[in-house]
Amino acid sequence: DAKTTQPPSMDCAEGRAANLPCNHSTISGNEYVYWYRQIHSQGPQYIIHGLKNNETNEMASLIITEDRKSSTLILPHATLRDTAVYYCIVTGGKLIFGTGTRLQVFP
Amino acid sequence: NAGVTQTPKFRILKIGQSMTLQCAQDMNHNYMYWYRQDPGMGLKLIYYSVGAGITDKGEVPNGYNVSRSTTEDFPLRLELAAPSQTSVYFCASSFPGLAALGNEQFFGPGTRLTVL
Repeated sequence: DAKTTQPPSMDCAEGRAANLPCNHSTISGNEYVYWYRQIHSQGPQYIIHGLKNNETNEMASLIITEDRKSSTLILPHATLRDTAVYYCIVTGGKLIFGTGTRLQVFP
Repeated sequence: NAGVTQTPKFRILKIGQSMTLQCAQDMNHNYMYWYRQDPGMGLKLIYYSVGAGITDKGEVPNGYNVSRSTTEDFPLRLELAAPSQTSVYFCASSFPGLAALGNEQFFGPGTRLTVL
């Protein structure tokens, strides 16, 4: 079973920041937080991952709380093409996908 | 680079038939994976491989077989198709990383299989 809890759906206005939360209260010290997304019926796409520190890349930022029990994926300027299912995965090995958050970006 | 390619895109099988789903990658990745995704659900790992000649079971291996004779190819075999195997199948590949099998994975476009 997935070790994470995510809201089933969220909305975001185009151009605004999308903040996707994830709870992972049972995370252990050697486990990473990964984010993937799946646009429509395509294969999932890697977004970002982190262990303890906040991370940023060209797609998104990942904010991990100090106790590592939760994290937030931030898409700074959401576009319509960011409409997708976003998966938060905690792992020290294999990827275990839950049902994710369905993000709908509207004009 | 083509990345991860999968064939066929779609297939309809009758119960009891067999087929092989093809997967190839041109990124020289050691690790390859097969997942299935049922409607409205997340992906479940079927089998994975950490290199040519080495394969291991994932969460849902029953009814499937794999082989890995080359770095590039990782075919998935269904021997006796059942309606429960109706799903979308994704192949993925990655380099080994600090998070071992959790390193960034690159996914193919999927094969949509229906068993009637």
